[in-house]
Parts: sequence; structure tokens; C-alpha cells
Amino acid sequence: KQEVTQIPAALSVPEGENLVLNCSFTDSAIYNLQWFRQDPGKGLTSLLLIQSSQREQTSGRLNASLDKSSGRSTLYIAASQPGDSATYLCAVLYSGGGADGLTFGKGTHLIIQP
Amino acid sequence: GAGVSQSPSNKVTEKGKDVELRCDPISGHTALYWYRQSLGQGLEFLIYFQGNSAPDKSGLPSDRFSAERTGGSVSTLTIQRTQQEDSAVYRCARSFAGGGETQYFGPGTRLLVL
Repeated sequence: KQEVTQIPAALSVPEGENLVLNCSFTDSAIYNLQWFRQDPGKGLTSLLLIQSSQREQTSGRLNASLDKSSGRSTLYIAASQPGDSATYLCAVLYSGGGADGLTFGKGTHLIIQP
Repeated sequence: GAGVSQSPSNKVTEKGKDVELRCDPISGHTALYWYRQSLGQGLEFLIYFQGNSAPDKSGLPSDRFSAERTGGSVSTLTIQRTQQEDSAVYRCARSFAGGGETQYFGPGTRLLVL
């Protein structure tokens, strides 16, 4: 069974710090990897999508990297702000399944202290 | 929003009753996905539609679950003879054409089975 693991499960840091969230996946035969943000009681917001052929993607203060061979991705958040507080989800689309559904990790709950 | 509306937003039902959940993506998006998010669990992929066709139904948790999509737009997820373990947030997502494109999620339907 393909699994996606996110470490840490929770993280609390002071405002202004740079931080890294980690995601690992068991099967390197992925099509792409997507990072989402989920606010309490709300839906999911897509942050970045990295194709399997790419090494990284950037959007504003966010940078996501992908190392397919080692089964790892990181989400780097620069100069964190209280508004960044949310749960961050990593999701992988595996190749060849045909079902096209994402396999999600359980998320990292991030709190940025003002 | 994310171009996906879901109804109802909340549903409380009694064990054994049938429920129908609705997803309505913006027009022109041929790919539609259903996921389930249970308390303490990650998001679980249920089923994917390309147009009106679902190529793989193996992600549905049991034969009490069924889904259909008509006219390439609205989709319904039906749960028959609901059980307490069906309580979860059911989330629908869209992408323009599937094939690993970014998935955009709706707000979800929170189902509580008493």
C-alpha cells in the first residue's frame, strides 16, 4: 500500500522564522506531488504542484522541492507570518493507477506565534 | 471560491438511513473527484470521474457507497444504510481534464450519523 508520511505532525515557531515541512512517500513511481493548505473547518487550498520531472516549484514565500529517488519532498516557508498558521497537507499522485486520485499524508499542523 | 460547490454543507442522519451528497463544479472541467476525511485520519480517495465515466470504483469503502455523474457536471455520492463510521467530511474536487492536473477542492459536506 502506498503511504505518505508528514513530519512533524505539529510545529510551533515564532513569527519571522524560516521553516521546513517534510513529506515522504513509499513508492517513487509518482506522477506529481501537490502541497495544500487547510484552515480549521475549511476546505483545501492548493499551494504548489511539482511534476515528477521537476526538482522544485516556488510561489512567493513558498518553495517546494522534490527528490523522487529518495521519496521526499519539502515545503520551505520563508519569513513566516501568523497568517501562515494552518494544516499543510502533502499529496502524491501515483503513476499508472488510472484512478487519478491523490494519496494524502495526515498533515503538519503549523502555528506561527505573533 | 475554488469553483466547486457542495451541498448540503452539513447533514445529520440516523443510522440506517440513506443520504445523498451533491457536488457541482464549474462548467468545462471534465474531471471530478470524491474524497473522505474522517476525524484523525488523512484524506481518503473514493472515486474519480472523467466526464460521466468512473473507470475505477475500487476506492469506494463498501457496496453501500455509489456515485454517479450526469451531463459531465453535477455528481452525487449516495450512501445507503448509513453507519456511524460513515461520519466524516466528504470533499469533492475538480480539475480541468484530469491527468494529474491541479485539483481544486470544494468546501465539503460534514456528515454525522447518529
